[in-house]
Parts: sequence; C-alpha cells; structure tokens
Amino acid sequence: QQPVQSPQAVILREGEDAVINCSSSKALYSVHWYRQKHGEAPVFLMILLKGGEQKGHEKISASFNEKKQQSSLYLTASQLSYSGTYFCGTAFPRTSYDKVIFGPGTSLSVIP
Amino acid sequence: NAGVTQTPKFQVLKTGQSMTLQCAQDMNHNSMYWYRQDPGMGLRLIYYSASEGTTDKGEVPNGYNVSRLNKREFSLRLESAAPSQTSVYFCASNRDRGRTEQYFGPGTRLTVT
Repeated sequence: QQPVQSPQAVILREGEDAVINCSSSKALYSVHWYRQKHGEAPVFLMILLKGGEQKGHEKISASFNEKKQQSSLYLTASQLSYSGTYFCGTAFPRTSYDKVIFGPGTSLSVIP
Repeated sequence: NAGVTQTPKFQVLKTGQSMTLQCAQDMNHNSMYWYRQDPGMGLRLIYYSASEGTTDKGEVPNGYNVSRLNKREFSLRLESAAPSQTSVYFCASNRDRGRTEQYFGPGTRLTVT
C-alpha cells in the first residue's frame, strides 16, 4: 500500500531542475508532497486531489495522473534551500480517504 | 497559534517500561495522526483519528494504543516498550482527512534500551 518513489536520491547543482515521482498500485484520492530537513518535521508543499484541484506553494509545481495513479513533483532552478528529503503521501477512496500513507522518501542535495 | 505540540521531546526507556506521548493542536482540526520515522523507512502510520471519537489502526499499530481525549488532544501509549520501538515519533493534524494538508509536530525522539 505504501507508494513507490523515484529516484531514491539525487544530487543537483544550483540552478538545475529535478523531477521526483510517486506511484501507487491502488486508485488514489489525493497525493500530498512534503519536504523534511534533517532533524526537523516535514513541511507541506503541495496537495493534488482527484478531479484536478491543487493547493500549494507558488514556486512548486506538480502533476497528478489519476489513470496511471502517479504524481510528479517538479523542482525548477533549484536553490541550496531545496535540499532535504521529499515525501509523497497518498490517500485512497476505498478507505474514505481517512488516512495518508507516505512513501520512503527521495533525498535531494543541492550543491553550489 | 502554537500549531501542533508534542511532549516530551526526548525520552529514554528501558525494555518493558511504559509511557505516553502527548500531542495537542490548537487549529481546530478534525483529524489527527501518529507516525514513526526510522532511517530509510519514511513515515509509517501507527494510528489515526479521522474525527473526534474515532480511532483506527494504520500500517504499524502493534505494540501501541491511542486515545483521542478530545478534539485537541491525541495521545500514543507504549504499554511495554521494546528496542524495536526506538524511533522518532511525529504527531500530525489536518482539517479533513486526506483532503487537506497535514501539519506536523516537532517530534519525540524515543530510545528503548
């Protein structure tokens, strides 16, 4: 039930772009994206709902392909502050979208 | 607003001891969650409460119990701690289940020796 994330880790130079993917074997109601810096709590980035509704930060973009049960997070013109671990979380319609299950995370390092 | 608060921040237990982790939110959220985080494992859901008066098991509920004391508070109890329960525990809350973003507390670092 845990979503799969790829890649597991990525290293970027400042200014480069990255895409982080999240996929599920089950139909999805929503996909959540969070970033966690070392020793801190996860922080909300974006939520995408079935039907096309999105909510998130202006500088973050993401897509949600309901048919393929996949989501991608797009990080453009990366900055040093983008470093951290990115988690996708998924909620499922058959469980009345009560709970959010997170993937194992993608470690992103941005270097000068 | 304090957001989501957790106590204690750090705890060391001996095998077999019991303890309760406390979580409170002041955002009038309906749903609350307990996760544990281990290296390389991401955030695993232990228990959740979709609304006041209800609780349900998550992915890894064995060895834990929860109480939704009121709308603000959601506690996690370890009845007989085991070394496998050494982890960082996060409490989170949101307005409406999987529809809305979650707000996380600062975490509790628990070590069981």
